Amino acid sequence: GIQVEQSPPDLILQEGANSTLRCNFSDSVNNLQWFHQNPWGQLINLFYIPSGTKQNGRLSATTVATERYSLLYISSSQTTDSGVYFCAVGGFTGGGNKLTFGTGTQLKVEL
Amino acid sequence: SAVISQKPSRDICQRGTSLTIQCQVDSQVTMMFWYRQQPGQSLTLIATANQGSEATYESGFVIDKFPISRPNLTFSTLTVSNLSPEDSSIYLCSVYISGASWEKLFFGSGTQLSVL
Repeated sequence: GIQVEQSPPDLILQEGANSTLRCNFSDSVNNLQWFHQNPWGQLINLFYIPSGTKQNGRLSATTVATERYSLLYISSSQTTDSGVYFCAVGGFTGGGNKLTFGTGTQLKVEL
Repeated sequence: SAVISQKPSRDICQRGTSLTIQCQVDSQVTMMFWYRQQPGQSLTLIATANQGSEATYESGFVIDKFPISRPNLTFSTLTVSNLSPEDSSIYLCSVYISGASWEKLFFGSGTQLSVL
């Protein structure tokens, strides 16, 4: 199956700082999504982005499918951004709707 | 988005017993997905539940251990059988919701299972 690696595994930021999270995957995909799991465990869907660039407020994401990676940018970070960020991918084989989750990036934003 | 109600939100169970988790969605969906998140780990897909047919299980998960029901297009249950401490995890149901140019996976709030 598809392997999904995220980096860095852990990240500590001061409030107001910017960051870039990376997701590398091992095969062609037709589905890629980014999630935020808040400290209470709830998973929030941030982006559906199998290719191209999207922005939503302070967050933006870019997927370069031909090079098998995606980036999540967080600007002007806030303490509420803390939690774990997962990318998840679906491949052409087995149906793109079955997502394989990455290893996650644990983010802590401090005052 | 979708409203996905999952219950119980948490439970503590004895070894050898079973726990049934319910997932209710506020709209009709073709597929429902059950995931497991072990402590400090990522999410792993257990199975895909389609209405009117048997669930499709991923490698490493079997129907005897994780029986699933899907009686209609808005409801599903996952049972975790013959519990052992290794089953202590968060179990999550999820569904796809589509827009004009997107198809996003949304999750319920999860069931935190602890096995003693």
